Amino acid sequence: SQQGEEDPQALSIQEGENATMNCSYKTSINNLQWYRQNSGRGLVHLILIRSNEREKHSGRLRVTLDTSKKSSSLLITASRAADTASYFCATGVWTNAGKSTFGDGTTLTVKP
Amino acid sequence: EPEVTQTPSHQVTQMGQEVILRCVPISNHLYFYWYRQILGQKVEFLVSFYNNEISEKSEIFDDQFSVERPDGSNFTLKIRSTKLEDSAMYFCASSEEGAGGELFFGEGSRLTVL
Repeated sequence: SQQGEEDPQALSIQEGENATMNCSYKTSINNLQWYRQNSGRGLVHLILIRSNEREKHSGRLRVTLDTSKKSSSLLITASRAADTASYFCATGVWTNAGKSTFGDGTTLTVKP
Repeated sequence: EPEVTQTPSHQVTQMGQEVILRCVPISNHLYFYWYRQILGQKVEFLVSFYNNEISEKSEIFDDQFSVERPDGSNFTLKIRSTKLEDSAMYFCASSEEGAGGELFFGEGSRLTVL
């Protein structure tokens, strides 16, 4: 299985602090994506990093990918209360029709 | 900004009844998916659809499930005879490039089977 596993399962920080979430997977991938889900809502795509990329930035988000360790991290800098949500990594492989396999998610709570 | 829309947002049904969940993917996307999320659990892949046929399906997607693209805009998921364990949030997604590309998700349809 190319299942992603996030850690920690839950993270609680103060507003202004940085939040780091990690994702590990088992098989070779072509890309890895991070999604955010507010409670009871749909999934919002945050960032996609391809297997030949090591780091990617988008606003306050920084994603790294280490294919040798089969792991990725999502860093949210200067967190805000509005960043409170669950964050999922999802792995994609070109041999599939487009299926992305999601991890268990990290629940982030940012306290004001 | 284009978005994926799903209806209904919430459906309550009796066990054994048929349910159809509807999705309107983003208009220029060619790859369509259904995922589900049981409350408090991970997002699970059900099925992918491309070129008017199923590309891949998971073991969850058994004979009780079917998908259809009846016209140029809708993409439906049918559950023929619902079970209690089908209670979940069902998400439709579409993608322009497929093969693990960026997925655009709808807000989901919450199915409650009594």
